[in-house]
Amino acid sequence: GAVVSQHPSRVICKSGTSVKIECRSLDFQATTMFWYRQFPKQSLMLMATSNEGSKATYEQGVEKDKFLINHASLTLSTLTVTSAHPEDSSFYICSASEGQETQYFGPGTRLLVL
Amino acid sequence: GESVGLHLPTLSVQEGDNSIINCAYSNSASDYFIWYKQESGKGPQFIIDIRSNMDKRQGQRVTVLLNKTVKHLSLQIAATQPGDSAVYFCAENIGGNTDKLIFGTGTRLQVFP
Repeated sequence: GAVVSQHPSRVICKSGTSVKIECRSLDFQATTMFWYRQFPKQSLMLMATSNEGSKATYEQGVEKDKFLINHASLTLSTLTVTSAHPEDSSFYICSASEGQETQYFGPGTRLLVL
Repeated sequence: GESVGLHLPTLSVQEGDNSIINCAYSNSASDYFIWYKQESGKGPQFIIDIRSNMDKRQGQRVTVLLNKTVKHLSLQIAATQPGDSAVYFCAENIGGNTDKLIFGTGTRLQVFP
């Protein structure tokens, strides 16, 4: 089946630093990748949709200058949390789609900002 | 805005019993629905999906029912096992030219011996 990986799985950083999270589709080409954020005991909230080679589309309320998304190839998308603050601590999950409706989810990245 | 919601935040069932997890959606334009299982600290795992032109779909030990009249979706798990303990989310695809999913609030399923 389709496999999506994320790296790192867990990261701790100091307030004010930037953190990059990678999302890779391992055995298929992902024309579209999605980035979600999930706070404890809450649902997944879509942050942005990215298509290979074009700018990401951000959901309302998500700062594009703070959450930089790059989808440079059909197998890799990156999310950079710039100038991270404690309130950015969350579980970040990506998903990938081959252009069909099904999204394959990564294992998530736990970010803790001190 | 429109959203997907769930009736029960936590469901406790005895091992071997059947589980039913419910979901109400409000977007009449949604044409594709998915149930995901999420274990603690992991990403969502696809369980089963259903399109709006169907009202029932069966998988291995799972069945999804769709009632478009009342905009209701349910997931039935037969012979629930301890490994089924997780949070279950329904998600809807609102169709059109987007593959965006709107997730429900989630139901925690607890299976006790």
